[in-house]
Amino acid sequence: RKEVEQDPGPFNVPEGATVAFNCTYSNSASQSFFWYRQDCRKEPKLLMSVYSSGNEDGRFTAQLNRASQYISLLIRDSKLSDSATYLCVVSLYKLSFGAGTTVTVRA
Amino acid sequence: GAVVSQHPSWVICKSGTSVKIECRSLDFQATTMFWYRQFPKQSLMLMATSNEGSKATYEQGVEKDKFLINHASLTLSTLTVTSAHPEDSSFYICSARGEGLAGVSGTTQYFGPGTRLTVL
Repeated sequence: RKEVEQDPGPFNVPEGATVAFNCTYSNSASQSFFWYRQDCRKEPKLLMSVYSSGNEDGRFTAQLNRASQYISLLIRDSKLSDSATYLCVVSLYKLSFGAGTTVTVRA
Repeated sequence: GAVVSQHPSWVICKSGTSVKIECRSLDFQATTMFWYRQFPKQSLMLMATSNEGSKATYEQGVEKDKFLINHASLTLSTLTVTSAHPEDSSFYICSARGEGLAGVSGTTQYFGPGTRLTVL
């Protein structure tokens, strides 16, 4: 079983729409959780950390459910520039990456 | 701040040759550097972790004699792919964790831009 599993998508949404997706992780001892964004042929960039109480950063909202071992990301009012692959990352002693969920925002 | 560079950004080489990739932290001291590999549509896979001045710790399944890692200074780590073969073609990304710059977290990893290796 993979350490981090994500729906690869793609999620094709119009500008202004809301899009949400999850990931699940296998190691219940994981301590830190993140969402990274990766554009085609580029390095991953930290989008936001995910906290147990849930947290928001502008149009992005992340939730963590430790009991069910899943993390979610919601993007409100999608912009064309939000088109990317979103990587779910969990950490205990090292970062474990999911394969990513591709989001395409169309005009 | 917290900039990590990689060189080269892309390289094409013949099968059997060796390729060296450099990873530099430009404005902070990288006490730990990480090397990842990413195949198309797959997740980043950690290859090894290196601490300055000591031997790298390799992940299970990664051949240390094939992927030579040197972390000779607090700002430079190198990955050498020895006797490269077409199956080594991949996107290699380094990241660095350290201190020495205001706002640089000792726990956050800062990623380099990656090196795309194609072995013919």
